[in-house]
Amino acid sequence: EVQLVESGGGLGQPGGSLRLSCAASGFTFSNYAMTWVRQAPGQGLEWVSAVSGNGDNTYYADSVKGRFTISRDNSKNTLYLQMSNLRAEDTALYYCAKGVPPPDYWGQGTLVTVSS
Amino acid sequence: EIVMTQSPATLSVSPGERATLSCRASQSVSSNLAWYQQKPGQAPRLLIYAASTRATGIPARFSGGGSRTEFTLTISSLQSEDFAVYYCQQYNDWPRGTFGGGTKVEIK
Repeated sequence: EVQLVESGGGLGQPGGSLRLSCAASGFTFSNYAMTWVRQAPGQGLEWVSAVSGNGDNTYYADSVKGRFTISRDNSKNTLYLQMSNLRAEDTALYYCAKGVPPPDYWGQGTLVTVSS
Repeated sequence: EIVMTQSPATLSVSPGERATLSCRASQSVSSNLAWYQQKPGQAPRLLIYAASTRATGIPARFSGGGSRTEFTLTISSLQSEDFAVYYCQQYNDWPRGTFGGGTKVEIK
């Protein structure tokens, strides 16, 4: 059974940093690209970032380019999102999702709140 | 960036009735279009990919159609568990995948 479990969310300061993790199981992690999608409270879905299966290729939405870094550790079956220079508009539930495209399994999300 | 527009924003339907949701792309996405269902407090669930192929385990009452810039999701006979928000996503400019704003299907 495919499982994706996000962690690392919480309260972040404007201008600060947080690192999200997504632990994957139930499939051959290194065979699949992975994606981060976020959802602001009461809003729709926004694609954030993606990484190829071997980690060599990364992609970002314009809204986070230069501030967020996606990476993966295939030996640990874990996906990461390093978030820097946080802004209030980054407040959202962050989902990791398997496969691109389109993502076929999603985690339950980890909530990031940016506030002073 | 490809912009996805869904209509209507809210659709009021009685159980057992048919529901048709629309999704329009600002430029052609070929058939690289997916539909997701999201219930309150849950992650999105993939329903349809490649515009018309049902994902694993999705009931036959869900069907997708269209190509290029115009797409539809049809639920042939709404069940109580189908009341939710539905999103379309284009993945033609892979791996970027922009979403539509969503259609909420509510009980009439």
